[in-house]
Amino acid sequence: EAGVAQSPRYKIIEKRQSVAFWCNPISGHATLYWYQQILGQGPKLLIQFQNNGVVDDSQLPKDRFSAERLKGVDSTLKIQPAKLEDSAVYLCASSLGVAGNYGYTFGSGTRLTVV
Amino acid sequence: AQSVTQLDSQVPVFEEAPVELRCNYSSSVSVYLFWYVQYPNQGLQLLLKYLSGSTLVKGINGFEAEFNKSQTSFHLRKPSVHISDTAEYFCAVTHNTNAGKSTFGDGTTLTVKP
Repeated sequence: EAGVAQSPRYKIIEKRQSVAFWCNPISGHATLYWYQQILGQGPKLLIQFQNNGVVDDSQLPKDRFSAERLKGVDSTLKIQPAKLEDSAVYLCASSLGVAGNYGYTFGSGTRLTVV
Repeated sequence: AQSVTQLDSQVPVFEEAPVELRCNYSSSVSVYLFWYVQYPNQGLQLLLKYLSGSTLVKGINGFEAEFNKSQTSFHLRKPSVHISDTAEYFCAVTHNTNAGKSTFGDGTTLTVKP
């Protein structure tokens, strides 16, 4: 089966600019997650979707980050305006179920550098 | 709330030696436990998981892990490592009533030397 697709792979922007990342999960996976992975740290959850609804966005900095999954399939994560501390790898993951027992399938990530 | 501590940030070993990567977690309720591997410039890949039952679980690439409830640990082991096992390894815990959200440790970099 096709894996989790993410684009772009790399992005360099100046602070205060905006950027968007795209994710297409594995077909049939109802749950989609966006994680932020800062260099030297483990992934930190930003937002979780089940189908096209938000399950948890408590860790999403809503003053600058937004995400949507309008048709319950692919998803977009946006940052506007970007700060230097947003430099990280943004990982998208999907899961077959919602109970947490399946584990995640991750995409290759988007490496964002804010200069 | 749940948390994960990976006790070693870096583990260097020689090829064909055994290795153990340590993971401790804290949670007030039952959890699911996972190990993921991340190769350079790639996403994380599921190595193995513990849901219930036998405390020794086997995964891909010859890795295994043992769940120890009394010590709240889930250490990853491999009896003989290869150069190709060089990667970053992440332990993760999911509260089994927490809508599937995983909390990750900060990772252990395994470097296998010839």
